[in-house]
Amino acid sequence: DTAVSQTPKYLVTQMGNDKSIKCEQNLGHDTMYWYKQDSKKFLKIMFSYNNKELIINETVPNRFSPKSPDKAHLNLHINSLELGDSAVYFCASSQAGLGRYNSPLHFGNGTRLTVT
Amino acid sequence: AQSVTQLGSHVSVSEGALVLLRCNYSSSVPPYLFWYVQYPNQGLQLLLKYTSAATLVKGINGFEAEFKKSETSFHLTKPSAHMSDAAEYFCAVSGDTGNQFYFGTGTSLTVIP
Repeated sequence: DTAVSQTPKYLVTQMGNDKSIKCEQNLGHDTMYWYKQDSKKFLKIMFSYNNKELIINETVPNRFSPKSPDKAHLNLHINSLELGDSAVYFCASSQAGLGRYNSPLHFGNGTRLTVT
Repeated sequence: AQSVTQLGSHVSVSEGALVLLRCNYSSSVPPYLFWYVQYPNQGLQLLLKYTSAATLVKGINGFEAEFKKSETSFHLTKPSAHMSDAAEYFCAVSGDTGNQFYFGTGTSLTVIP
C-alpha cells in the first residue's frame, strides 16, 4: 500500500564498499528523484528521471550512478563509499514531468547510510 | 532562477500558541509553492500547496499559508500549536520546467508544554 518505498531503511558499511538503494513507486508517476539530506537537514537534488530518461544530473561524484529499469523504479548505486557519503537518501516521485508544475513530490521514508 | 528562503532555523512556541513559520521566494515566473513536514526518521509529507487558485491555502493538521505576491512570501501558520506539531518544516518552489524543486533550509519547530 506504500506509495513510495525504498530499501533498505538503514545501511551501515565500510569505506570503499559498493552499495545500492532501491526505490519503487506505485502512484503511476512519470518522474522520480533522488535527494540527499545531510546532517543539517539540507535537501539536495541528485538526480531526476522522467520515463526512464535522465533529466536532472546535479554535481554529484560519478561514484553515484542511478538506474531506472522502468518508470516505477529508480535505484541508486554507490561505488567506493566515502565517509562524506553518510547521509539520508530520499527517493521521491511526481507527475511534474507531464507539465503539471503544481504536482507535489511524494517521498519515501529514506535510507540512512552510515559509512565507517 | 528560483529559490526559497526560510527565516529562522529554529522556532519554539508554547502549546496552544500561534505557529508562524516564514518563507520568502524568488521566482521569475508565477511560482508553485509547497510546504512539507518531516517528522523524526520519516520522509517529507506534503502539508499544502499553492497553485494560484486562491491566495489562502488550507492544508492538513490545521495548517494554512497565505501567498502574498507583493511581499514574495508564503508563510505557514497554525492558530494553536499541538505537541504533535514538533517537526522540521520545509518550504519549496517548483521550477519553471516542473521537474526541479528548490527547498529551503528548513525550520525546526519545538512545542513547549
